[in-house]
Amino acid sequence: DVKVTQSSRYLVKRTGEKVFLECVQDMDHENMFWYRQDPGLGLRLIYFSYDVKMKEKGDIPEGYSVSREKKERFSLILESASTNQTSMYLCASRPTGGISSGNTIYFGEGSWLTVV
Amino acid sequence: DQQVKQNSPSLSVQEGRISILNCDYTNSMFDYFLWYKKYPAEGPTFLISISSIKDKNEDGRFTVFLNKSAKHLSLHIVPSQPGDSAVYFCAATDPRGAGSYQLTFGKGTKLSVIP
Repeated sequence: DVKVTQSSRYLVKRTGEKVFLECVQDMDHENMFWYRQDPGLGLRLIYFSYDVKMKEKGDIPEGYSVSREKKERFSLILESASTNQTSMYLCASRPTGGISSGNTIYFGEGSWLTVV
Repeated sequence: DQQVKQNSPSLSVQEGRISILNCDYTNSMFDYFLWYKKYPAEGPTFLISISSIKDKNEDGRFTVFLNKSAKHLSLHIVPSQPGDSAVYFCAATDPRGAGSYQLTFGKGTKLSVIP
């Protein structure tokens, strides 16, 4: 089974703090993603990466950056956390190639971040 | 502009009856559609999918129907069970450029199955 592990399930941070959310996948997937989920807004893509050291902006990249130094690890960074970044953050991965039932996106369990 | 729309934020169904979750899309280049299920405090899990060249795909109690001319798809759950209570996300992929890497998600529909 594919395993996408997010190191922190629940975090509380202060406004202005730098926050790191770590994600590791164990299936040698090329593509990795960071989403945030908010009630009524669904899943919104923040950043994704299709290879080591490669990154692409998603729909809502403002206030975030990412790092992918190793294939299995994709980090989301909040340079200066703000209260509007309080959310559930979801990491995901999938292999290369076209999306299909056999090549879909696998999600981690999520990280609940509260910024106070 | 939202390319994948789930216009019903919530749906309540009696146990044993049919649940129908709807999804509309605007991008005619979408070539694959997926449904994900999400329980609170967990990540979404893949449920069922359909290629744009098909109009129906069935997997046990779950069936997805695609109407390309109407740019509409629906997920049918028969019979509905209390364990089906979750948020269901419709998603689609565009094979062009950066869209080929990712899924575009709807906002989700919260299904409650009442015992």
